[in-house]
Amino acid sequence: VQLAESGGGLVKPGGSLRLTCVASGLTFSDFYMSWIRQAPGKGLEWVSYISTSGDSTQYADSVKGRFTISRDNAQNSLYLQMNSLEAEDTAIYFCARDRRPKAYLGMGVWGRGTSVTVSS
Amino acid sequence: DIVMTQSPLSLPVTPGEPASISCRSSQTLLHSNGYNYLDWYLQKPGQSPQLLIFLGSSRASGVPDRFIGAGSGTAFTLNISRVEAEDVGVYYCMQALQSPRAFGPGTKVDFK
Repeated sequence: VQLAESGGGLVKPGGSLRLTCVASGLTFSDFYMSWIRQAPGKGLEWVSYISTSGDSTQYADSVKGRFTISRDNAQNSLYLQMNSLEAEDTAIYFCARDRRPKAYLGMGVWGRGTSVTVSS
Repeated sequence: DIVMTQSPLSLPVTPGEPASISCRSSQTLLHSNGYNYLDWYLQKPGQSPQLLIFLGSSRASGVPDRFIGAGSGTAFTLNISRVEAEDVGVYYCMQALQSPRAFGPGTKVDFK
């Protein structure tokens, strides 16, 4: 089971970035998926999660209205569209396999993360 | 929103000795189904976080039985029966009862 994030990089304040997480070795459509971030030298911050079909999403207050989570089950892919980026969004972004619809088993698989730097 | 706190924030340990980390939530994490929606994660130096405990006391697959999660409602504890060298890192609790989910600030465990 593997999750691989990509799409990070350096972006100016106010800019946009789209992160991708590709899953392998699991039935992607069976699981909710989450994004979690970690600012340099700081702790973990939950960002967003999405249901198996994509019809239900939740966001942290800090990103609500600026970030959009989505998924493509046919491509085993999870996305995070980040708009209106701020310096405070600078972090490593991890994707994680989340719950099943009828069973919570924790976030049992994490990717290695992709780094996002927001700076002028 | 639920706020998570942990203590201590730094925990020097001795290999072979027990260790304990406390986690508290600002609201109960006990669901009507009888489960506490509280996880424990360990982030080893230079690595991604890994799941240790879910639903308060259920050990994740492959996690050694020296890791024991306990507690209910708003007070939880992660106990390590005998600390080993590979256990150093930062331990986080996280509530999964409601959105937005929230992590505790983390407890850094290293050797004395």
